[in-house]
Amino acid sequence: SQKIEQNSEALNIQEGKTATLTCNYTNYSPAYLQWYRQDPGRGPVFLLLIRENEKEKRKERLKVTFDTTLKQSLFHITASQPADSATYLCALNTGTASKLTFGTGTRLQVTL
Amino acid sequence: ETGVTQTPRHLVMGMTNKKSLKCEQHLGHNAMYWYKQSAKKPLELMFVYNFKEQTENNSVPSRFSPECPNSSHLFLHLHTLQPEDSALYLCASSQDQAGSGYTFGSGTRLTVV
Repeated sequence: SQKIEQNSEALNIQEGKTATLTCNYTNYSPAYLQWYRQDPGRGPVFLLLIRENEKEKRKERLKVTFDTTLKQSLFHITASQPADSATYLCALNTGTASKLTFGTGTRLQVTL
Repeated sequence: ETGVTQTPRHLVMGMTNKKSLKCEQHLGHNAMYWYKQSAKKPLELMFVYNFKEQTENNSVPSRFSPECPNSSHLFLHLHTLQPEDSALYLCASSQDQAGSGYTFGSGTRLTVV
């Protein structure tokens, strides 16, 4: 079965810096990969989706890359702000088009 | 509000109780999901419904019983739960086409005593 690893449980960075989060997967490459943000006590919120034939996707201060050779996706937040502090989840489709498997997440803390 | 509403937000129940969790979406989505989220663990898919038909049961114990009366509503009926079932239960919906993101509700924090 597909296994998803997100680089670290927690990441602390200074405001204004670029945060880079990693998502690695084993086995077969998914058709697409998604990133979500989750705040404490809330459900995840969809941020970005990248397909297997796309190398990079951007949305405002967010950038996602997808390397099917390395079996890895990188999630970048540029000019990070304290409001970006949250847990970020990586998710892959597994077989059935809309069935997603999630990683454990990386908790990002942006400090002043 | 995300468009997916879950009730109740918090629930405390005894091991012999019967309770139900409710999820409602009016986004026009065709697929609905139940996920379980426990501390330090990834979201675990429990059930998937497409056009109100169950298409996935991820080896969930029978003490959890889903019901999908229509495309907009999803229930999770609970009975004789165990303390280890305490978790955040999340409902989500999507368009069920490749590449559509999920919209999650805020979840129900369940505590089994």
